[in-house]
Amino acid sequence: GAVVSQHPSWVICKSGTSVKIECRSLDFQATTMFWYRQFPKQSLMLMATSNEGSKATYEQGVEKDKFLINHASLTLSTLTVTSAHPEDSSFYICSARGRGDKNIQYFGAGTRLSVL
Amino acid sequence: DQQVKQNSPSLSVQEGRISILNCDYTNSMFDYFLWYKKYPAEGPTFLISISSIKDKNEDGRFTVFLNKSAKHLSLHIVPSQPGDSAVYFCAAALLRPGGNEKLTFGTGTRLTIIP
Repeated sequence: GAVVSQHPSWVICKSGTSVKIECRSLDFQATTMFWYRQFPKQSLMLMATSNEGSKATYEQGVEKDKFLINHASLTLSTLTVTSAHPEDSSFYICSARGRGDKNIQYFGAGTRLSVL
Repeated sequence: DQQVKQNSPSLSVQEGRISILNCDYTNSMFDYFLWYKKYPAEGPTFLISISSIKDKNEDGRFTVFLNKSAKHLSLHIVPSQPGDSAVYFCAAALLRPGGNEKLTFGTGTRLTIIP
């Protein structure tokens, strides 16, 4: 149980385009979803937290207009990197938590974004 | 600033022996701590957690110890098995007023179990 699917696993795009990453909880209802970013040789850094049906809460230094997060249902959250630039190239990973999960987050496998 | 540190990037242990993975943190306000295990091309999977008010939590072969005065936690795996070979991440959680938590991760330790 507690499976989180993230798609795509790898995406290459041209500078200036937008990229959408999907995060789905397959066998539970995710009341809260989290988006992280990881640069090489660094740890996972929380970008934003979203509760289903509410606006996402962004961490300090993360541009909300750049990284659009939608959590419209209990099984799906999306992260859209708008007008991507090479400095946005990174590893993006989502996690999800359901009700009564005692604050345990379940992670997707991540998306490697390369912006040319 | 790196609030959670895993100073050993890698560790090799003989099968059947004890594996000890270490983690240090700087923020005494963390509410609980977690260990995650990650295989290649997969997301981190939850292993075990410990509340900041406890000093030990055990689950089968896995035991986590917390030393608050030293701001140090460790994960013990005994006996170590080949399937334990993976990258292990330590994470510290801060509960926020809205009810959600913020996890701060270490950079991971790659554990290799030698048959």
